[in-house]
Parts: sequence; C-alpha cells; structure tokens
Amino acid sequence: KAGVTQTPRYLIKTRGQQVTLSCSPISGHRSVSWYQQTPGQGLQFLFEYFSETQRNKGNFPGRFSGRQFSNSRSEMNVSTLELGDSALYLCASSSQGVGSYNEQFFGPGTRLTVL
Amino acid sequence: AQTVTQSQPEMSVQEAETVTLSCTYDTSESDYYLFWYKQPPSRQMILVIRQEAYKQQNATENRFSVNFQKAAKSFSLKISDSQLGDAAMYFCAYRDWAGNMLTFGGGTRLMVKP
Repeated sequence: KAGVTQTPRYLIKTRGQQVTLSCSPISGHRSVSWYQQTPGQGLQFLFEYFSETQRNKGNFPGRFSGRQFSNSRSEMNVSTLELGDSALYLCASSSQGVGSYNEQFFGPGTRLTVL
Repeated sequence: AQTVTQSQPEMSVQEAETVTLSCTYDTSESDYYLFWYKQPPSRQMILVIRQEAYKQQNATENRFSVNFQKAAKSFSLKISDSQLGDAAMYFCAYRDWAGNMLTFGGGTRLMVKP
C-alpha cells in the first residue's frame, strides 16, 4: 500500500496570501488529522476529518480551515498568511473512527515558509 | 486538557549502549493510549511503541521498551543496544481512548555517538 502523501513538499508564500495544502491518506483510511510543527510551539493538533465531517478541532484561529472529499483526500487552507504560520504541516491518516485503536500513519509533511 | 512533558531536550548515547528518554503527562482520564514517535531528519514521523493505559504490562518492541507508571503519570522509553539509525527526535504523545487527537510533548533529540 502506498503511504500518506502530501503535496506540495515545499511552499514559499508572502504575508497576506493564502495557501492550500493537500493530503492523500492511505487507501481505505477515512480519518485524516492535521498538525502544525514549529520550533517554538512544537506539534499542535489542527483538526481531524472523518467521512467528510470535521470531528475535532484544535485551538487555531479561523484563518485555518480544512475539508475532506468523498475519496478521503483532505485539504487545509490558511488565509491571510502571517510570518508565524511558517511551519511543517503534517497530516496523519487512520482507518477507523473513535472507540478502537487504529494506528495513525504520518505523511512526510509540507514545509511552508511565509516571507 | 491533557499535557505531555519531555524534560530532556537533548540526550546522547554511545553506540551499543542503553538510553532512557523521560516523559510525564497529565490527564484526568483512566483509559487512554501513550505513544513514542520517532522523527528522523527526513521528517517522516514513525510510531515506535504504544501503551494502553489499562494494561499493566509494559510494552516492548524489539530493542525498544517502556516503563509505564500510571499512578505517577510517567512513561519512559528505553532503547537498548543503540544504533546510529536511532538518532532522531523522539516525541511522547497522548491520546484519549476515544478519538484520534494526539497531544505531543516537546520532543527529545537523541544523538548516537559511534
């Protein structure tokens, strides 16, 4: 099985722009979670989508949004970029919903640089 | 809210030796999962080992084992016979029993000296 893929791998934007990142989960996985990784704040949960519905959301401003498509692929969008949004954005996919253990598999990440 | 703390930003170990990475967490839940993840310089996060809170027996995966102390809310990772390929950032993570959200510690950078 192919692993979790994220595109693009690297991205450079300027302040005020918006950006869309994509995550394709492992085939058959219906849950996709997004995390932001920065040197200062570490790894922080952004949101989780399951069967096209946002199931959980972290403590991020409304500029951060996401969605999931019927094929389980997910996108996250950041509008009005700020310098502090520079980070590695990781997505993770898992097979099932809540209530049972299911391993989360991480993608390689998208490195976003905001100038 | 759950918190995870890793008090050792950096550790180093000689090849073939044993090293222990520390992690403490705080939760009011009785059922949950704990994980150790490895993030090599290539950045792909890899699951090393997991522990279910209801299990008293400590998890073991080859050279990796944990010391899970539920009452003390402590979850350390022991790496035996360290290898150069073990050099990476190691993250301790917590997950509620129901849900997929992971709460990570700040990470420990492990260096392995030949």
